[in-house]
Amino acid sequence: GAVVSQHPSRVICKSGTSVKIECRSLDFQATTMFWYRQFPKQSLMLMATSNEGSKATYEQGVEKDKFLINHASLTLSTLTVTSAHPEDSSFYICSARERGARVYGYTFGSGTRLTVV
Amino acid sequence: ILNVEQSPQSLHVQEGDSTNFTCSFPSSNFYALHWYRWETAKSPEALFVMTLNGDEKKKGRISATLNTKEGYSYLYIKGSQPEDSATYLCASSTGGGNKLTFGTGTQLKVEL
Repeated sequence: GAVVSQHPSRVICKSGTSVKIECRSLDFQATTMFWYRQFPKQSLMLMATSNEGSKATYEQGVEKDKFLINHASLTLSTLTVTSAHPEDSSFYICSARERGARVYGYTFGSGTRLTVV
Repeated sequence: ILNVEQSPQSLHVQEGDSTNFTCSFPSSNFYALHWYRWETAKSPEALFVMTLNGDEKKKGRISATLNTKEGYSYLYIKGSQPEDSATYLCASSTGGGNKLTFGTGTQLKVEL
């Protein structure tokens, strides 16, 4: 079946630095990638949606200059948390939709636990 | 209902018990209801996608029902096994179905 590989699974960074999270679709072409964030005891919250080759669409309240999303190819999307601060510490997870898939076919990565110290 | 809500938040059952969880979602402009099974350190695994009112789906010992008019779905697990221990997420989509709105999940632990 479809697999999305997400790396790293855990990262600890210093406040003020940037962190890049990668999601790769291993055996299919991901035309759309969704990025979610989950704070403790809360639900997965959609941050942004990106389509290959175009700019990401951000949800209300998500700073596009802070959370840079690149979806330059059909198999790779990246989320860069720029100038990270402790309040950015969270669980980040991506979800991909395959080219030609029915609109409700989503495959998730395994998530990244970001801790900013 | 404005958000997707799941209950209970957590559940401990004995091996062999049958159990069920509830997902409530906005019924207006409904498109699809998704159930996922999520084990720690793994990717959420899609269980069911349902779109039609009255829909019932089954996968082994797990089944789900959907009521789009009143905005709820039930997930049933028959004869729970320790390997069923996981967090069960539901998510609904509206309109064109692109965006998923998730509940906070039900954490199931099946004990021997």
